[in-house]
Amino acid sequence: QQQVKQSPQSLIVQKGGISIINCAYENTAFDYFPWYQQFPGKGPALLIAIRPDVSEKKEGRFTISFNKSAKQFSLHIMDSQPGDSATYFCAASGNSGYALNFGKGTSLLVTP
Amino acid sequence: SQTIHQWPATLVQPVGSPLSLECTVEGTSNPNLYWYRQAAGRGLQLLFYSVGIGQISSEVPQNLSASRPQDRQFILSSKKLLLSDSGFYLCAWRRLTRETQYFGPGTRLLVL
Repeated sequence: QQQVKQSPQSLIVQKGGISIINCAYENTAFDYFPWYQQFPGKGPALLIAIRPDVSEKKEGRFTISFNKSAKQFSLHIMDSQPGDSATYFCAASGNSGYALNFGKGTSLLVTP
Repeated sequence: SQTIHQWPATLVQPVGSPLSLECTVEGTSNPNLYWYRQAAGRGLQLLFYSVGIGQISSEVPQNLSASRPQDRQFILSSKKLLLSDSGFYLCAWRRLTRETQYFGPGTRLLVL
């Protein structure tokens, strides 16, 4: 059972545009929500993470928006660049901490 | 700083042959360790995790096994590989008191 649902599966954005990836979860025990960025042939790297006590977190061009009541969170990439072309995974974990539940990933292509 | 290593980077093996993939972490002690498999264009499937030496938990019953002979060493093995074992194998670690997982560079396995 997929505990974190991610959409869209793929996304094409023009350079300078905003990329938006959405995730939804059901388990209200989740309290940590990271986003990972993965380039082809590489391991995923932590991009940004948020906890449910804040509704938004921004790091540079990357912003997480979090809606606790809707059990949804999203990644916004402002001023998208071709170098942002990668696969993005959302994830969630609960108070047990040992496991991250990953979404299926979004393949982002930023065109010049 | 902490570093995670995986080897080999790429492996081509015939069906029925054994497998041994190694993961080591430097710069930390008593990490939680994880093995994931990523099929082409797919998400991350958790295979095994370990909270200490000799302590292995399996998430998915399959043709693979894991061992942790030393605090910072995690090994993924198989006695007889199947075609379906092909994929990108990722090792990850996290500190005991933090949720963030950090991934290694991965091993690409092709079973022919």
